Amino acid sequence: GQQVMQIPQYQHVQEGEDFTTYCNSSTTLSNIQWYKQRPGGHPVFLIQLVKSGEVKKQKRLTFQFGEAKKNSSLHITATQTTDVGTYFCAGGVDRGSTLGRLYFGRGTQLTVWP
Amino acid sequence: DTGVSQNPRHKITKRGQNVTFRCDPISEHNRLYWYRQTLGQGPEFLTYFQNEAQLEKSRLLSDRFSAERPKGSFSTLEIQRTEQGDSAMYLCASSLGTGGRGYTFGSGTRLTVV
Repeated sequence: GQQVMQIPQYQHVQEGEDFTTYCNSSTTLSNIQWYKQRPGGHPVFLIQLVKSGEVKKQKRLTFQFGEAKKNSSLHITATQTTDVGTYFCAGGVDRGSTLGRLYFGRGTQLTVWP
Repeated sequence: DTGVSQNPRHKITKRGQNVTFRCDPISEHNRLYWYRQTLGQGPEFLTYFQNEAQLEKSRLLSDRFSAERPKGSFSTLEIQRTEQGDSAMYLCASSLGTGGRGYTFGSGTRLTVV
């Protein structure tokens, strides 16, 4: 069945260091989405990638979608304490829509030391 | 509109009892999703609706689970004969038909089966 694997499960960094989380799918995805969940909170949408090889930036966050549309990454430059939380990738497989069911990875829990 | 609203926030029930949760999506969103999340895991798909039509239901979902969205607005998720393994956070999300902006999640209903 469809699986989305995400590594690492945990990452501890000192403030100012960079952080990267990786996501891999067993099958080709129609789109990949990234969400952030703060401790005790609910997932909050960050971005959606649709095109092969797509790269998008949001301030210190850089998102990539692989050429084969099977992998993705999120890179945070110079982490801050406000970046603390769990980052999830979520892949969709519906060819005609980006709004169907999503397969979530297990998430990467980021801790930032001040 | 203040976002996706879920009620109750917490529910403690005895094994074997039935429970029902409610979700009020963002009013202009035509898609509504139910996910379940346990500690240390990503959200797991249960079902989703477009307007009042239930478009997909997870095969992982047993017959004890049923969801409705009778008028294409709010939705209810019912679990019959609850089991301890049903203990989880039940998340509702909604999205706009044009896509591109991902899901908006509610704060969830935390179910504890004792």
